[in-house]
Order: sequence, then structure tokens, then C-alpha cells
Amino acid sequence: ETGVTQTPRHLVMGMTNKKSLKCEQHLGHNAMYWYKQSAKKPLELMFVYSLEERVENNSVPSRFSPECPNSSHLFLHLHTLQPEDSALYLCASSQLAGGRAEQFFGPGTRLTVL
Amino acid sequence: LAKTTQPISMDSYEGQEVNITCSHNNIATNDYITWYQQFPSQGPRFIIQGYKTKVTNEVASLFIPADRKSSTLSLPRVSLSDTAVYYCLVGMTVGNYQLIWGAGTKLIIKP
Repeated sequence: ETGVTQTPRHLVMGMTNKKSLKCEQHLGHNAMYWYKQSAKKPLELMFVYSLEERVENNSVPSRFSPECPNSSHLFLHLHTLQPEDSALYLCASSQLAGGRAEQFFGPGTRLTVL
Repeated sequence: LAKTTQPISMDSYEGQEVNITCSHNNIATNDYITWYQQFPSQGPRFIIQGYKTKVTNEVASLFIPADRKSSTLSLPRVSLSDTAVYYCLVGMTVGNYQLIWGAGTKLIIKP
């Protein structure tokens, strides 16, 4: 247990569906991240939130919409996804945002887009 | 942006020392180097972090030469449970969120 939980663990959706991924951290951290992990590719940082404000958005398509209602919760809203969006989506948290801070990862949500 | 390059895979045997090198030629002055370990069906887990020279903790050592263009993760006396993917991460201090991950090195430990 890392103190970061993600639900659901697996998700299958059609291209016209709308779904949301949820992440919760129990570590009292101030920063939260969404990553995309595709097979044999580096982890791709999607979004960073620091103290509930989005501080980084790495040119992610608008069909991915993050939400951070408080410092413990992070959502990724999905709509009209493409098959190439199928991947493992990882949530992480850290005490402070940035590369200096140790990140704690959840187990990920395995997303399949049909 | 610093781009990181790692070997795709490595094999070793139980009880051996394993060294995994990451290349980051364009590392910036304020970048730190961090290594993570990932098992199947889990998220990455922090192993060690350094800025320059050598850092050691209870599970690994990290060697960073003076030019900081590469780093080497050293795992002493590996066991079968060290079979995992190891990632090198280069990133700046708080305030800049350019986190450049390597593609990972699949380490397989044989009996």
C-alpha cells in the first residue's frame, strides 16, 4: 500500500462513452499527478496539480479533463476517446510538486477503448 | 529538455551486483536524478535520488559523474524479487514540472 488509491482498476469503454477515473491520496500531500503509461514508452506526464491548482498541462487532448476538488482527490474525466488512448493511467502524489519530490503512485487504471 | 536513455533490458543472476546506466546529456543545472522500480500491476516506487557524486541508501547506490550527463543505479546482491522495470527520471526542483522519464530497463534476475 502506497497511500494512493485508484478506481476503477480496469475500465472498458466505447469511443462515445463518458467515464471518470478517481484517485485519492491519504498522505497529506500537496501535489497530485496524472500519467499515461503505454507499452514500451516512457511515462507521459499529463497533468500536475499543486495545492488544487493545475500547474502543468502537457498538450493533452481536450477529451481528457482533470478535476481536483481538494488536495486529496483527483479525477480524470474521459469522453469521446480513441483506441490509441488505451493505456495504464497512473495517479501519483508528492509533498511538493516537481522533480525534487518523491512521488507515490497508485496501482493505476487499465483503460481499454473499443 | 533533458532526454533520458536507458538499456531496454538486462539479465543477471542472484547474488550479483547489477548496474543500470541512464544517459541524460542535456540535463539542466537544477535537475535531480531519481530512480523508480515498477512491478507488474503496480505503480512505480521510489528507490533513490541524487544530484551529484554518490548517494547510498539501504537498497541501492546512485553514482553521478561530475558532468552529470549520466547516472548509474547499482543494486548490490540482487535476488529474484528484484526482477522489475527500473526507470530513470530527470526533473527540476519545485516550481518547474518538466519531468522526463526514461523508457525503463527490464531487469530479469535468474536463479
